[in-house]
Amino acid sequence: AQSVTQLDSHVSVSEGTPVLLRCNYSSSYSPSLFWYVQHPNKGLQLLLKYTSAATLVKGINGFEAEFKKSETSFHLTKPSAHMSDAAEYFCVVSAMQNAGNMLTFGGGTRLMVKP
Amino acid sequence: NAGVTQTPKFQVLKTGQSMTLQCAQDMNHEYMSWYRQDPGMGLRLIHYSVGAGITDQGEVPNGYNVSRSTTEDFPLRLLSAAPSQTSVYFCASSWDFTYNEQFFGPGTRLTVL
Repeated sequence: AQSVTQLDSHVSVSEGTPVLLRCNYSSSYSPSLFWYVQHPNKGLQLLLKYTSAATLVKGINGFEAEFKKSETSFHLTKPSAHMSDAAEYFCVVSAMQNAGNMLTFGGGTRLMVKP
Repeated sequence: NAGVTQTPKFQVLKTGQSMTLQCAQDMNHEYMSWYRQDPGMGLRLIHYSVGAGITDQGEVPNGYNVSRSTTEDFPLRLLSAAPSQTSVYFCASSWDFTYNEQFFGPGTRLTVL
């Protein structure tokens, strides 16, 4: 079994300040981990992914995430928030299991950026 | 490439009605899946397919049927709509589930009265 917990349902930052969106996971198998972003009334878009290569992963739009196996975490960060970053963000874990692949989504974190 | 397309964008049904949500992709992906998105619950997998003629249940399959007669199309059928099926439905496709990006359609917003 696997699960994903996004520790904050809402995060509010000021434009130009750092962003931290927290994600913890559990998995019985070696997981792949993803962050997706969803802008209002849109589908989901991949920000970045971890698939057992470098533990620090860089994505689009200046986002990055660090895989920490000892802490079972995959937090998403950005040094300086922009108004266009306001969206909902989903942490996703994927692992090969007996019956095939399973994708599990976190509950989402809504990021608000204040001018 | 159009990517993943879904129709309709919006739909209102009455309890007990049936309908089919359409999904098509033009990327020749073997893997396709249907999710529903509800507030605070992220996306939950309804059904998925690993190739034409092969489908399997996800986390929340009850009340939904799927089939995969071609690589391109993966329709989702609601057999007898219930208010609990009010949700936003997303179709996605990918080369696989584990290592590669899922490409999502724009979604269908369904309301069941």
